Amino acid sequence: KAGVTQTPRYLIKTRGQQVTLSCSPISGHRSVSWYQQTPGQGLQFLFEYFSETQRNKGNFPGRFSGRQFSNSRSEMNVSTLELGDSALYLCASSQNPLTNYNEQFFGPGTRLTVL
Amino acid sequence: SQQGEEDPQALSIQEGENATMNCSYKTSINNLQWYRQNSGRGLVHLILIRSNEREKHSGRLRVTLDTSKKSSSLLITASRAADTASYFCATGVITQGGSEKLVFGKGTKLTVNP
Repeated sequence: KAGVTQTPRYLIKTRGQQVTLSCSPISGHRSVSWYQQTPGQGLQFLFEYFSETQRNKGNFPGRFSGRQFSNSRSEMNVSTLELGDSALYLCASSQNPLTNYNEQFFGPGTRLTVL
Repeated sequence: SQQGEEDPQALSIQEGENATMNCSYKTSINNLQWYRQNSGRGLVHLILIRSNEREKHSGRLRVTLDTSKKSSSLLITASRAADTASYFCATGVITQGGSEKLVFGKGTKLTVNP
């Protein structure tokens, strides 16, 4: 099985712009979670989607949004970029978030730099 | 906010030695997982231990969980230079919606010197 893929791998934007990141989960996985990783804050949960519905949301401003399509692929969008949004954005997929065995498989991440 | 706190923040050992990393957390958990991350890349799942388990092994990895102390440890035996990476503990927490989310600690940066 192919792993979790994320595109693009690297992105450079300027303040005020918006960005869309894409994640394709492992085939058969219906749950997709997004995380932001920065040196200062570490790994922080952004949101999780399951069957096209946002099930959980972390403590991020409304500029961060996401969606999931019927094929389980997910996108996240950040509008009005700020310098502090520079981070590695990681996507993870899992089979069934309703069990207590929620091993998550991570993609390689998208490195976003905001200038 | 971080749930897990790893200790130490950084660890440097010689090849062949054992490496022990600890993780403490604050709230009730469903399970605890350990992940490895090589320099700026994605995370690799290492091992999951459920809240009703006390110890688990996988190859050179041994994980313990003490729910009364809200702590876990990851032991890597006979370390190799290739084990150099950051290691994160993540607690699986059931949310109001009934699903589980992972809350990560800040990680331990392990360096294994050849």
